Amino acid sequence: QITLKESGPTLVKPTQTLTLTCTFSGFSLSTSGVGVAWIRQPPGKALEWLALIYWDGGDRYRPSLESRLTITKDTSKNQVVLRMTNMDPVDTATYYCARTYYDGGYFDLWGRGTLVTVSS
Amino acid sequence: DIVMTQSPDSLAVSLGERATINCKSSQSVLHSSNNKNYLAWYQQKPGQPPKLVIYWASTRESGVPDRFSGSGSGTDFTLTISSLQAEDVAIYYCQQYYNTPRTFGGGTKVGIK
Repeated sequence: QITLKESGPTLVKPTQTLTLTCTFSGFSLSTSGVGVAWIRQPPGKALEWLALIYWDGGDRYRPSLESRLTITKDTSKNQVVLRMTNMDPVDTATYYCARTYYDGGYFDLWGRGTLVTVSS
Repeated sequence: DIVMTQSPDSLAVSLGERATINCKSSQSVLHSSNNKNYLAWYQQKPGQPPKLVIYWASTRESGVPDRFSGSGSGTDFTLTISSLQAEDVAIYYCQQYYNTPRTFGGGTKVGIK
């Protein structure tokens, strides 16, 4: 069975750095062509792709947020970590991680998501 | 960025009737090298993560009922539910993966009339 699960703080203060971890099972990020992405969804709003990392360490970022984002992987732990600096209340959202592919950038499996609220 | 525009924002259909959702991209998502449309559809029910329904514009994900179908090419795409069931009530999103940033449409809420 393939699963992904997001973990991290539920509340962060403005200007703080958010660190989220995606822990997955049932597939390996050392398999050629596989990637893991982060996508967020503000309450009642649409989905917004943030970043992704591939099996070979290649990464991509949303240009408008690139200066604030860092995505890394730990293949041995089956984890992908997203770091977002200088958090603002507009970053309040449910953050999802999802599996993707280098030669097909759809997201076939998703975690249940974690709601992060930014408030002082 | 490729902008994905969905229409309508919401629709209500009687059980057993057809539901049609449209998605338009601001530039073509058809890759000339392989003649594939880099377009996916997702279904999201309240309190749940999105679920992949269609990829490559018309390929149904494993386990998805055959009442769901995708069509279109280039910049104009359609998701059709041929006979709406109660469990199909959800918000549906299109997404392009032709390039980065990956972008989603604004969503279409499907309900029962």
